[in-house]
Amino acid sequence: SQKIEQNSEALNIQEGKTATLTCNYTNYSPAYLQWYRQDPGRGPVFLLLIRENEKEKRKERLKVTFDTTLKQSLFHITASQPADSATYLCALGRGNNNDMRFGAGTRLTVKP
Amino acid sequence: DAGVIQSPRHEVTEMGQEVTLRCKPISGHNSLFWYRQTMMRGLELLIYFNNNVPIDDSGMPEDRFSAKMPNASFSTLKIQPSEPRDSAVYFCASNPRASGDGYEQYFGPGTRLTVT
Repeated sequence: SQKIEQNSEALNIQEGKTATLTCNYTNYSPAYLQWYRQDPGRGPVFLLLIRENEKEKRKERLKVTFDTTLKQSLFHITASQPADSATYLCALGRGNNNDMRFGAGTRLTVKP
Repeated sequence: DAGVIQSPRHEVTEMGQEVTLRCKPISGHNSLFWYRQTMMRGLELLIYFNNNVPIDDSGMPEDRFSAKMPNASFSTLKIQPSEPRDSAVYFCASNPRASGDGYEQYFGPGTRLTVT
């Protein structure tokens, strides 16, 4: 069966360091992968999209990689700040199809 | 733009009662999604619509769940009868296109449902 796994439930890092979150998948061939941020009591908010033919995408302090051989995406936040503390969700989707499947999320805490 | 609007924000009901959750997608968006989020199961897709037509309802847990989209600006998710295990946060999301891949989804604030 399809499985999407995010590396850990919780990740704690020090302000200024780079946070690296992992999303692994099995029995799935996604055409694209998205990362979302979710704050307590709110809905997820879109951050980045990367397609299967792309290796890397950047947006300000965010970077995402996509390795279809390893079936893995890495999500990096450089120069992390306490305001980056949230749960981060990866989501996989197939081409020409609107449904996406979400991972369980990783709760990131950036300590000052 | 007001974003995706959901109501009610909180709902507490007794087992066996009917529950109706409502969603207004972003104007001009052609796809609408209903998700359920729990600690145990994470964020699960229940059903989605393209141009008001249900496309995939394979995530709907049981016949007690039904969803409708009578027009482009309104959708409902109904649970009848409700059970305690239905307690969760229910999210509605929309995106601009009915086809093509990779469009970001815009989520509403969610409805926290508690069934006692």
